[in-house]
Amino acid sequence: DTGVSQDPRHKITKRGQNVTFRCDPISEHNRLYWYRQTLGQGPEFLTYFQNEAQLEKSRLLSDRFSAERPKGSFSTLEIQRTEQGDSAMYLCASSWTGEKETQYFGPGTRLLVL
Amino acid sequence: QKEVEQNSGPLSVPEGAIASLNCTYSDRGSQSFFWYRQYSGKSPELIMSIYSNGDKEDGRFTAQLNKASQYVSLLIRDSQPSDSATYLCAVDAGGTSYGKLTFGQGTILTVHP
Repeated sequence: DTGVSQDPRHKITKRGQNVTFRCDPISEHNRLYWYRQTLGQGPEFLTYFQNEAQLEKSRLLSDRFSAERPKGSFSTLEIQRTEQGDSAMYLCASSWTGEKETQYFGPGTRLLVL
Repeated sequence: QKEVEQNSGPLSVPEGAIASLNCTYSDRGSQSFFWYRQYSGKSPELIMSIYSNGDKEDGRFTAQLNKASQYVSLLIRDSQPSDSATYLCAVDAGGTSYGKLTFGQGTILTVHP
């Protein structure tokens, strides 16, 4: 499978716990994006990387959220001290800058905070 | 004020009909426009991209862009029950926000036999 992959696909955690999600982009893609989607809404931009550099973070992203892409390949998104409001689908997408920024999405990680 | 607005749904059409989905955006400098389809519980899947004014056709799908009116639409001809999904309009504003997509809230389409 050469598409975007995400792990885990589902995560249930208790409030206050830390969680980490992983995204593996399409191999030749140099850009990687994180979005969050809640029920009945479109995805909301969180942050993105070009190679290993984090170029932009949304104001939606509180200090409890951190993302890395250490070698310009896979990325991790960590949420510290989770809150019930963090419950959502976390989507990763990747693109190649030479393809007019067409983004392809992974299957998502569904987070439920109890 | 939302930056990307889609026509309120849900939209219900009979099988074989044309489904028309509409989207307006607020940033006049926006450069790239995308339509994604999202089945319940799944992630968005790219259907069409459009960058220039006019129409772009791909099979049963036609995207239309009018930058002067800040309007983009998606027409689905010969609608099938398998087209039933949420359709998301996404806009890339370009410039310093190049690559960052802003999505509308989605329009739920139901195609009934």
